[in-house]
Amino acid sequence: DIQMTQSPSTLSASVGDRVTITCRASQSIINWLAWYQQKPGKAPKLLIYKASTLESGVPSRFSGSGSGTEFTLTISSLQPDDFATYYCQQYNSYSTFGQGTKVEIK
Amino acid sequence: QVQLVQSGAEVKKPGASVKVSCKASGYTFSSNHMHWVRQAPGQSLEWMGWINVANGKTKYSQKFQDRVAMTRDTSATTAYMELNNLRSEDTAVYYCARDAVADSISLSWFDPWGQGTLVTVSS
Repeated sequence: DIQMTQSPSTLSASVGDRVTITCRASQSIINWLAWYQQKPGKAPKLLIYKASTLESGVPSRFSGSGSGTEFTLTISSLQPDDFATYYCQQYNSYSTFGQGTKVEIK
Repeated sequence: QVQLVQSGAEVKKPGASVKVSCKASGYTFSSNHMHWVRQAPGQSLEWMGWINVANGKTKYSQKFQDRVAMTRDTSATTAYMELNNLRSEDTAVYYCARDAVADSISLSWFDPWGQGTLVTVSS
């Protein structure tokens, strides 16, 4: 099974900050990676797929990059609505999720 | 719009079974695979398996292989996930999620997701 490791587990930031979350795969997943945002009590929401393609309707302050085994999700200027937990997901070989990164208010 | 609506919360005793439904609307039901993902309290997301809605074939995570069954009723545009021999560690929110790419032979990203069904296992 492919393991996905996210870092950091928790991130404290302020509105307007640039935020970067990293996701590492235990083997190459090419670019078969998605990012989701989840708020308490809600289902995950798709942000990015194929490592860097922004889902329709998602603000352009979100961006994704990477290939192979290392990927990043960047929020260029953190907004109040962005405080949430973020998960990466590989779908190269079945599916596995990272353990999540909680973005908290500093 | 594409929507997945799941059945309501369940409370079960250890050893029992639970069957969660996922009613799809807004798209051609048989065109997209359906996945099931669970999330234990305070934990990450865990993929359980998927069903090819067009032909009913399934693939389960090895962890659940012996206890899970995923089915669908195309006339009702509804997918089902049944988990048997429940234990306390199965207490979680269970989500259905549509494979985003229609008529695909491989997995893709998940979109949208159902609202989730809380299953509580307690004696």
